[in-house]
Parts: sequence; structure tokens; C-alpha cells
Amino acid sequence: DAGVTQSPTHLIKTRGQQVTLRCSPKSGHDTVSWYQQALGQGPQFIFQYYEEEERQRGNFPDRFSGHQFPNYSSELNVNALLLGDSALYLCASSPVGVGGTEAFFGQGTRLTVV
Amino acid sequence: AQSVTQLDSQVPVFEEAPVELRCNYSSSVSVYLFWYVQYPNQGLQLLLKYLSGSTLVESINGFEAEFNKSQTSFHLRKPSVHISDTAEYFCAVSGVGGSEKLVFGKGTKLTVNP
Repeated sequence: DAGVTQSPTHLIKTRGQQVTLRCSPKSGHDTVSWYQQALGQGPQFIFQYYEEEERQRGNFPDRFSGHQFPNYSSELNVNALLLGDSALYLCASSPVGVGGTEAFFGQGTRLTVV
Repeated sequence: AQSVTQLDSQVPVFEEAPVELRCNYSSSVSVYLFWYVQYPNQGLQLLLKYLSGSTLVESINGFEAEFNKSQTSFHLRKPSVHISDTAEYFCAVSGVGGSEKLVFGKGTKLTVNP
């Protein structure tokens, strides 16, 4: 089992650009959550997807959007990038209905906005 | 809503010494509690979790944490640390029967010196 895989591992973007990050969940998991971890901070919940729909959303602007595909993989899109969007973006997968009790995290995508 | 406070941002200790990383939480509902570990440039790994039952939970590598409902705490302890325990440790909480998101503290950087 490959666990949760994220791509790319690192990328650099310019202010104002758009970025797409990708996540493949652990085998058997159908729920994907995204978190933003700024330098020196704990992860903050962005949103969660299940059955291709956004189930919950944290306190992030509409510039942050997502998608889940029929195979349960997910994308995080960020538009109009700001310097403050520089962070480690973590994807977590879990089986539905068990809450955060069975969340598995990927290695993350390090986004740098210049 | 839940919140987590990790009382120490950095904890330096010598190898083979005991360590305690402190975590307090706030919640209006019952909670699940977690400790995650993050090694440099990596994602989060679950160290241990409290869901129900015995208030003392243990990990396979010698860490333990005790859920104290009256103190709203979930401190992490290890009687004898190794150099390899150097990492960042995050305490997290999720509400029982409600939102499935994890709410994290800001983390405690544990540095084990020879």
C-alpha cells in the first residue's frame, strides 16, 4: 500500500498565478481533507471532500477550491496566489464516518510564492 | 468549536532523560485527542490517540499520553528519550460525532542532545 501520495513535492510560483496540487488517498479511503501548514505553525483545515462534494470548509477564502474524482483522488486549486500562501500543503485521507480518528497524511507539497 | 494550546514551543533535553510535552484543549463537546510527529521535510505521522476507554494510551516506541478531562489536558511523556526522537510534535483534537476535521496546536519542537 503506497499510503497517501501527493504531487508535486515542491513548486515555486509567482504572485498572482494559479496552482493545482494533487492527492491520491490511501487504498480503501474515500474521504480527503486538505490542510495548510505555514512555517512554524500547526496545520490548519482547508476543506474536506467526500463523494465528489465539499463536506466541510475551514476559514479560507474562495481562492481556495477543490475537486474530488470518482477514484477518490483530489485536487486543491489556489487562484491569485499571495506571498502568504507559501506553506506546506498536506492531504489526509480517511474512511468515511470515522472522523479524524483514522486520518493518514501524505508527505505534503511545499509551495513557495515569490 | 475546539482549540488546542501547546504550552512549550521548544523543549531541549539530553539523551536518556525523561520528557513531557504539554497539551491543553478547549471544547464544548466530547473530543478525540491525538499526538502527531513530524520529522524535517515530512508529513505527519500518528503517534497515539485517545478515543475512549482507558485514559492512558501508549505508542509502540515508548511514548504515552494521559487524557485528563477535568484538566482538559493530554500531555505526552516518555521516560527516556533517544536522539531519533528529535522532531516536531503536534497535539490535535476532533469533536465526537460532529465535524471530522482535526484542530492542531502550534507544535512543540523536541530536540534531544547527546
